[in-house]
Amino acid sequence: EVQLVESGGGLVQPGGSLRLSCAASGFTFSGYAMSWVRQAPGKGLEWVSAISGSGGGTYYADSVKGRFTISRDNSKNTLYLQMNSLRAEDTAVYYCAKTLDIWGSYLDAFDIWGQGTMVTVSS
Amino acid sequence: EIVMTQSPATLSVSPGERATLSCRASQSVRSNLAWYQQKPGQAPRLLISGASTRATGIPARFSGSGSGTEFTLTISSLQSEDFAVYYCQQYNNWPLTFGGGTKVEIK
Repeated sequence: EVQLVESGGGLVQPGGSLRLSCAASGFTFSGYAMSWVRQAPGKGLEWVSAISGSGGGTYYADSVKGRFTISRDNSKNTLYLQMNSLRAEDTAVYYCAKTLDIWGSYLDAFDIWGQGTMVTVSS
Repeated sequence: EIVMTQSPATLSVSPGERATLSCRASQSVRSNLAWYQQKPGQAPRLLISGASTRATGIPARFSGSGSGTEFTLTISSLQSEDFAVYYCQQYNNWPLTFGGGTKVEIK
């Protein structure tokens, strides 16, 4: 079964750091670009960051550029999001998402999503 | 940044009726447009990619159309499980952007 399972969320103070993980199973992880997408409470979806299958290329939303770092370990089938200098507006459920086409572009729809992990930034 | 605008924000429909949801892009995204369904407490689910290609396992009552800047998601006969929020997303340009969503509620 194709599956993504996020972990690492929690409560953190403004200015703090957190690292999210997303464990993938059931597919050739290294063949797919991956993204993080977040959803603030009661709000819509916001794309955060993307990484190529090899890990050699990354993209970020302006709202997180310079503060968040996406990475992956294809030997462990795991995607990461290192979040630094966290702000109240980063409070959201964070989803990892798999692109549709193997060996395809980063620019693609997302066919598999994790269940999400909640990040709350508050003092 | 390409702005995706969905209308209406809320659509009240009776079970068995047809629902038509709209999505407009601020500039052309060609056919690089996806639709997702999200129910409360759940992750989004891919319905349509490439503006009109149903994802695996998606019932035929869901159909997508359009290209360029104007797109439509049609649910031909609403079932109880279809009441949810629907999002469009463009993947033609960085940053990837989503519409604000259309909530389909029971009339």
